[in-house]
Amino acid sequence: RKEVEQDPGPFNVPEGATVAFNCTYSNSASQSFFWYRQDCRKEPKLLMSVYSSGNEDGRFTAQLNRASQYISLLIRDSKLSDSATYLCVVMNYGGSQGNLIFGKGTKLSVKP
Amino acid sequence: GAGVSQSPRYKVAKRGQDVALRCDPISGHVSLFWYQQALGQGPEFLTYFQNEAQLDKSGLPSDRFFAERPEGSVSTLKIQRTQQEDSAVYLCASLVGTEAFFGQGTRLTVV
Repeated sequence: RKEVEQDPGPFNVPEGATVAFNCTYSNSASQSFFWYRQDCRKEPKLLMSVYSSGNEDGRFTAQLNRASQYISLLIRDSKLSDSATYLCVVMNYGGSQGNLIFGKGTKLSVKP
Repeated sequence: GAGVSQSPRYKVAKRGQDVALRCDPISGHVSLFWYQQALGQGPEFLTYFQNEAQLDKSGLPSDRFFAERPEGSVSTLKIQRTQQEDSAVYLCASLVGTEAFFGQGTRLTVV
């Protein structure tokens, strides 16, 4: 079982739609959580961190459920420019653990 | 430098050839990661350095893969006797706090 699992999609949605992505992680000791965005043939870039209390950045809302080991990302009022792959990332601290683990990504395509 | 720089951007290797991929991380930053990203997949962890110390190499897929960072700055990922399954984008990242800054990657094609 992969440490971080995501639905690969693709999610094809019209402009203005609301779309949600989910992610599960297997290591209960994971301590930090993120969503990264990766455009085609580009490197991943941080979209937002995910906090236990939930956090919002404009049209983007991230939630973390530690008990269920589940992370989500909600995008409201989708724009064409939101089309990308969204990567769920967990960070494990401590010792010699190499510690930034990526999911396979969920592909989003926003259509006019 | 201001960001993470990788070279070459593209590399075509004949099967069996050795290759060396270079990463210049963000100046002064301690943590450096290497990832392998196959087409349509997320980045897969290869190895992790703190300064010159390679703290985790559990993701290296075989003993043909070797990484070093002798002076705690520039890192090199070496792949010996390349195989077709090594074809992928190899990404290097500096960790700044909890944010990973990636280079643009080296796209390796083994023919």
